[in-house]
Amino acid sequence: GAVVSQHPSWVICKSGTSVKIECRSLDFQATTMFWYRQFPKQSLMLMATSNEGSKATYEQGVEKDKFLINHASLTLSTLTVTSAHPEDSSFYICSATGTDFYEQYFGPGTRLTVT
Amino acid sequence: QKEVEQNSGPLSVPEGAIASLNCTYSDRGSQSFFWYRQYSGKSPELIMSIYSNGDKEDGRFTAQLNKASQYVSLLIRDSQPSDSATYLCASRGQAGTALIFGKGTTLSVSS
Repeated sequence: GAVVSQHPSWVICKSGTSVKIECRSLDFQATTMFWYRQFPKQSLMLMATSNEGSKATYEQGVEKDKFLINHASLTLSTLTVTSAHPEDSSFYICSATGTDFYEQYFGPGTRLTVT
Repeated sequence: QKEVEQNSGPLSVPEGAIASLNCTYSDRGSQSFFWYRQYSGKSPELIMSIYSNGDKEDGRFTAQLNKASQYVSLLIRDSQPSDSATYLCASRGQAGTALIFGKGTTLSVSS
């Protein structure tokens, strides 16, 4: 299957600071990338969908000014959590799909802890 | 509201048995269906995709799709303790759109 990487795998930051998470497709061109958040023992929650070169589409209830998504190339999307607060502590996972296949592959996730 | 429903479990089976996981979906326009496995603290891993009615086999895994009944299932033969995880069923309409996930079924395989 296709490979998606994320960096960093975990990050601790202080309340009020911003954190950037990178998501890369390593062996395919990702036409669409998705960002999810998952709290412990809960389901995946889709935050936004992004297509290369276009503005991301955010799900209802997700603050687009707080969770900035940039999909600048066919292999890279970034999620920036601005002015992070402890309630933003979660497991953030990206996934991607390419032009040649229907499957959606997930990155390994980034665990964010805001203190 | 497009939904995918799964029994949350836990589903407990002994080692070597067949585990049967089921899900139903509400959107008749769904075209693709997927099963993901998620270990605790890890991200989901794709294990099967199915697009047409019938069975699809891959090793110990068999996915079954019945679009008339809006039903998808996953059979795991010769279950192993390493299969213990949460299994997520997902559907999708058009290519490039977001997957709709069920809440997952927790499988526990005892040795």
